Amino acid sequence: DGGITQSPKYLFRKEGQNVTLSCEQNLNHDAMYWYRQDPGQGLRLIYYSHIVNDFQKGDIAEGYSVSREKKESFPLTVTSAQKNPTAFYLCASSRGTGALNQPQHFGDGTRLSIL
Amino acid sequence: AQSVTQLDSQVPVFEEAPVELRCNYSSSVSVYLFWYVQYPNQGLQLLLKYLSGSTLVKGINGFEAEFNKSQTSFHLRKPSVHISDTAEYFCAVRGGGAQKLVFGQGTRLTINP
Repeated sequence: DGGITQSPKYLFRKEGQNVTLSCEQNLNHDAMYWYRQDPGQGLRLIYYSHIVNDFQKGDIAEGYSVSREKKESFPLTVTSAQKNPTAFYLCASSRGTGALNQPQHFGDGTRLSIL
Repeated sequence: AQSVTQLDSQVPVFEEAPVELRCNYSSSVSVYLFWYVQYPNQGLQLLLKYLSGSTLVKGINGFEAEFNKSQTSFHLRKPSVHISDTAEYFCAVRGGGAQKLVFGQGTRLTINP
């Protein structure tokens, strides 16, 4: 079955440490997204990518970085510059950039906590 | 910029009762509207979507939503809820040529036996 795989499901970060969250999709989607979810705040867009080797900042990109070297993969790094990283992180994908009517498909998320 | 307001942060209902989760959006141009459901510690799952055509949209799990352009609303309804419907529900909109999908704050639906 096609879908989006996020790993790990739970992740712990020490102070001053960078951590990378994995997101892989086998839906052959061009666009991929990273969201952060905090209680009572809905989903906020961190970064998105509509094509390989290209990505744009979302609404809360500070303290995060991404890469898009392959169509299937869009890893998110939470850097030490992100002072409040504890949250639930969701990866999503959708069809081509012009297909605004296409829904986004989501992975099952990674819960990041600070040690 | 687009915005989405889900008018209730929490909605408690009894099992087998009807429910309506309210969603309003801000846009004067054509929009695409979506409802997603999130079960605890999981990602979001698409319930239904409005792209064009009939204003009454049917989705999975017996849910439906009505697009009302004059009131800029897209309320989600179910005539009889089940315990398994306990989850958080998100309304989302994309419109005006914008690439980004804008989400509401979410409504937590709690079903009491």
